Amino acid sequence: SYELTQPPSESVSPGQTASIICSGDKLGDKYVSWFQHNPGQSPVLVLYQDYKRPSGIPERFSGSNSGNTATLTISGTQAMDEADYYCQAWDSSAAVFGGGTKLTVL
Amino acid sequence: EVQLVESGGGLVQPGRSLRLSCAASGFTFDDYAMHWVREAPGKGLEWVAGVRWNGNSIGYADSVRGRFTISRDNSKKFLYLQMDGLRPEDTAFYYCAKEIPKHTTGDAFDIWGQGTMVTVSS
Repeated sequence: SYELTQPPSESVSPGQTASIICSGDKLGDKYVSWFQHNPGQSPVLVLYQDYKRPSGIPERFSGSNSGNTATLTISGTQAMDEADYYCQAWDSSAAVFGGGTKLTVL
Repeated sequence: EVQLVESGGGLVQPGRSLRLSCAASGFTFDDYAMHWVREAPGKGLEWVAGVRWNGNSIGYADSVRGRFTISRDNSKKFLYLQMDGLRPEDTAFYYCAKEIPKHTTGDAFDIWGQGTMVTVSS
């Protein structure tokens, strides 16, 4: 079955740029979505179709996808961005999530 | 306001059944594919199953295929997950989620419910 791989954790200083990668075989041929998930809350869609932002998502969230790697970039990271981030793609009529990356802002 | 509200979770013994429900409001329910996604304690998100706007199944995760059944009632604006043969590893928070595009699938989940907890234990 298809797998998406994310680093378990990343850290960033406030105001700096955070990059979270998601790897999968020929991932660039698929659309990737990114979700922000805080404990006790519902996941929030922050990017879809690789780089599109839903209404209400700040411009500091951006994305790219090429080759075997998709990247979520948060520019000017704020304390409120500290959360778990999951990438997601579709393969053979099944949705696949990455293992998640815990972003720490310190 | 677009909203999804899950119900039906609880404590159940291994091998028993449980039916989850998800009430939708604030959007034209029968235009969109719907899904169940779960998060086990200490684990990440896992897609469980999806159903097209017309009630046809999209598919199931390997871990639940043959035991879980997804369905919907468009007249009542409800999504369901019938869970049979429950196992301890099915213990998780279960979310229902709506897909973005109308009358198609294979895209992102833009609206999520608050979730309902299912605990499988003797």
